Amino acid sequence: DIQMTQSPSAMSASVGDRVTITCRASQGISNYLVWFQQKPGKVPKRLIYASSSLQSGVPSRFSGSGSGTEFTLTISSLQPEDFATYYCLQHNSYPLTFGGGTKVEIK
Amino acid sequence: EVQLVESGGGLVQPGGSLRLSCAASGFTFSDHYMDWVRQAPGKGLEWVGRSKNRANSYTTEYAASVKGRFTISRDDSKNSLYLQMNSLKTEDTAVYYCARAYDPTTGYSYYMDVWGKGTTVTVSS
Repeated sequence: DIQMTQSPSAMSASVGDRVTITCRASQGISNYLVWFQQKPGKVPKRLIYASSSLQSGVPSRFSGSGSGTEFTLTISSLQPEDFATYYCLQHNSYPLTFGGGTKVEIK
Repeated sequence: EVQLVESGGGLVQPGGSLRLSCAASGFTFSDHYMDWVRQAPGKGLEWVGRSKNRANSYTTEYAASVKGRFTISRDDSKNSLYLQMNSLKTEDTAVYYCARAYDPTTGYSYYMDVWGKGTTVTVSS
């Protein structure tokens, strides 16, 4: 199985900060990576697919990059509504596997 | 409007069974692979399994944690996906989400883009 290691597991940041979240795959997954945002009590929302393609309707301050084993989700200027937990998901091979999540909290 | 609505959750004793349903609307259900994903209380997301479409023989895939106990099926005539859960364990307690996974004819633009609101399964004596 492919392990997805997400870092950091939690972080504190201020409005306006640039935030970077990393996902590392235990083996190469090409660009078969999706990023989700989940707020407490809510359904996960897809932000990025195919590693770097922005979901329609998602603000352009979100961006994704990477290929192979290392991937990043960047929020260029953190907004109050961005405080949430973020997950990566690899779909290169079965079983699909999520990263452990990154909780972004208000500093 | 594209929509997924799960149902069938509830309280069940360890060793028991439960069948979840997911009703789809607003898109061509039969073209899509469909997934189940779960989230235990206070924990992260865990992929449970997948039903591929008719063109791919309705092949199913499962996470190791549920393989042999859970069975995914679908009825394209009813636009519905099912999750039969047997031999339930306390660690199966979670919110179970149905997600639109993939349409092989359109690529990855819609990959896991639509999720239901989830149904809660509690396994406890």
